[in-house]
Amino acid sequence: ETGVTQTPRHLVMGMTNKKSLKCEQHLGHNAMYWYKQSAKKPLELMFVYSLEERVENNSVPSRFSPECPNSSHLFLHLHTLQPEDSALYLCASSQDGGGTDTQYFGPGTRLTVL
Amino acid sequence: EDQVTQSPEALRLQEGESSSLNCSYTVSGLRGLFWYRQDPGKGPEFLFTLYSAGEEKEKERLKATLTKKESFLHITAPKPEDSATYLCAVQARNTDKLIFGTGTRLQVFP
Repeated sequence: ETGVTQTPRHLVMGMTNKKSLKCEQHLGHNAMYWYKQSAKKPLELMFVYSLEERVENNSVPSRFSPECPNSSHLFLHLHTLQPEDSALYLCASSQDGGGTDTQYFGPGTRLTVL
Repeated sequence: EDQVTQSPEALRLQEGESSSLNCSYTVSGLRGLFWYRQDPGKGPEFLFTLYSAGEEKEKERLKATLTKKESFLHITAPKPEDSATYLCAVQARNTDKLIFGTGTRLQVFP
């Protein structure tokens, strides 16, 4: 595997379900990000982790819970989601999380909440 | 408030018909401006980073330029495989966040 990988690629869940999204980066980077991409809207930054420590939480509802066990893996735990949470969830990584590091994105997880 | 506006929202070109995409920005001190390409169902793919006004970067048929208020992505003699959504993002000096525009959806017809 190379670059940034995400699983699953597609997920359909009910409002009462609990599920998790997984991201893995194979670039040796120290910072990882979660973004939400909805139709006709700009990418929205959700969370930033640098060296496994959360450094940014962009006013995201508590039904989204991130976890970063090490610098290569990032999870997004989902529970009691709403239909408006349906979107493409993108993971990205960068070298250090500071300066003008280029962020490299994974393919995304297409989430549908019924 | 930091903001990025991209235009046009959509652009249809004939193969070989050159054009430009615009990214206008307001930011409290620019640290960097980024261009990405996104194909349907995929994540954004990095193209360029520009740091200061007057800077230009090229890659195949693409050329990105930067002024103090906007950036252009020039596409010379496009091919159908250039069809994608092109995203612009800025990073301000006082934050590590990327502020994205809504993108320009480019379609190139043979």
